Amino acid sequence: DQQVKQNSPSLSVQEGRISILNCDYTNSMFDYFLWYKKYPAEGPTFLISISSIKDKNEDGRFTVFLNKSAKHLSLHIVPSQPGDSAVYFCAAISTGGSQGNLIFGKGTKLSVKP
Amino acid sequence: DSGVTQTPKHLITATGQRVTLRCSPRSGDLSVYWYQQSLDQGLQFLIQYYNGEERAKGNILERFSAQQFPDLHSELNLSSLELGDSALYFCASSVAAHNYGYTFGSGTRLTVV
Repeated sequence: DQQVKQNSPSLSVQEGRISILNCDYTNSMFDYFLWYKKYPAEGPTFLISISSIKDKNEDGRFTVFLNKSAKHLSLHIVPSQPGDSAVYFCAAISTGGSQGNLIFGKGTKLSVKP
Repeated sequence: DSGVTQTPKHLITATGQRVTLRCSPRSGDLSVYWYQQSLDQGLQFLIQYYNGEERAKGNILERFSAQQFPDLHSELNLSSLELGDSALYFCASSVAAHNYGYTFGSGTRLTVV
């Protein structure tokens, strides 16, 4: 039973355009969400996060939107750059739970074409 | 360099064997997490240690075990290996038990033949 789902295995975008990566979750206890980026042969690196008390968090070219009623979040990258080509993982956690571990989606591979 | 060191980077071993994966957390981090990434799968949480004590357990098989030592490095022991155990094993660390911006190592790629 996948609690965090990234339904698009891959996404291709032209340089300079917007990249939108989507993530759905099923566990209503999740109250903190993160995006990680992973390059080949490297570990995931933290990108941006959002608490469930917010519906938007912005950091430079990266913005995460949270729709709690739909149990959906998205990552917007504007403008997209070739260096953004990587696998993006969505992750979620219930901060009030006894387990302090992130639940990850399967990832979306983003390709930004010059 | 993320500051989390995992060794070895690659490991090839036969079925039925036992291996040990090692992780040194980022300086100052007390919490260590182990994740497994199989082909076409997301990162599956295995186990968490905080300051030497087991804190949380995920989908870790009974054939697998881990520990965190007084110097805070951690080892993941995998025994009676099966072909299906072939995967990338990531270690991550964080300052506190409930700090969520984990820092990941570059992983150990285990191939069981």
